[in-house]
Amino acid sequence: QVHLQESGPGLVKPSETLSLVCSVSGGSISGYFWGWIRQPPGKGLEWIAYLHSSGNSNSNPSLKSRISVSMDTAKNQISLNLRSVTAADTAVYFCARYCLVGKCLDIWGQGTLVTVSS
Amino acid sequence: QSALTQPASVSGSPGQSITISCIGTTGDVGGYNYVSWYQQHPGKAPKLMIYDVTYRPSGVSRRFSGSKSGNMASLTITGLQAEDEADYYCSSYTSINTRVFGTGTKVTVL
Repeated sequence: QVHLQESGPGLVKPSETLSLVCSVSGGSISGYFWGWIRQPPGKGLEWIAYLHSSGNSNSNPSLKSRISVSMDTAKNQISLNLRSVTAADTAVYFCARYCLVGKCLDIWGQGTLVTVSS
Repeated sequence: QSALTQPASVSGSPGQSITISCIGTTGDVGGYNYVSWYQQHPGKAPKLMIYDVTYRPSGVSRRFSGSKSGNMASLTITGLQAEDEADYYCSSYTSINTRVFGTGTKVTVL
């Protein structure tokens, strides 16, 4: 079955760029929408962005100016870059696959904790 | 975009039924039949329980059901079991082609 694994540095300094990769195994990333979601420690889920192999993408208006998302179909990976981070960006970051039928997220990665601190 | 409003906590005894509300606006919950619900146990990734307001993915117990009226969606759990104790989040498609999550509800089985 399809498996998602997030990876990236666990610690990022303030004002720097947070870069994460979601590696997908057991299926192709082509033809699906993929999403990024984050969860600050002890808090709720926040939707970050979605993207599709066609280039179609959109992001949370509150993060749009700092976000870029991309796909590498050769590596079967999805990437997230978040610029100019602050302590408020400390969170567990999840990647997830959108349902083929229905507007939902049916497969999630385990998440990776990113801490923003000097 | 503002988070959808959920009660912070809901509790019930084993075997009872509980309902979690999710209040949005005409720009999200009220405008589209694209509300989904997720269950999250501590330290785990969320799990899809309901999509498009009322549909249950394969493998999800029939004890979970969803509904919507106006700007409010609801998740009902019947025959409450100990394993249902978790955080639950609603999510909706929005008028600006984004997604928004609810504030989250902690379900406690007494």
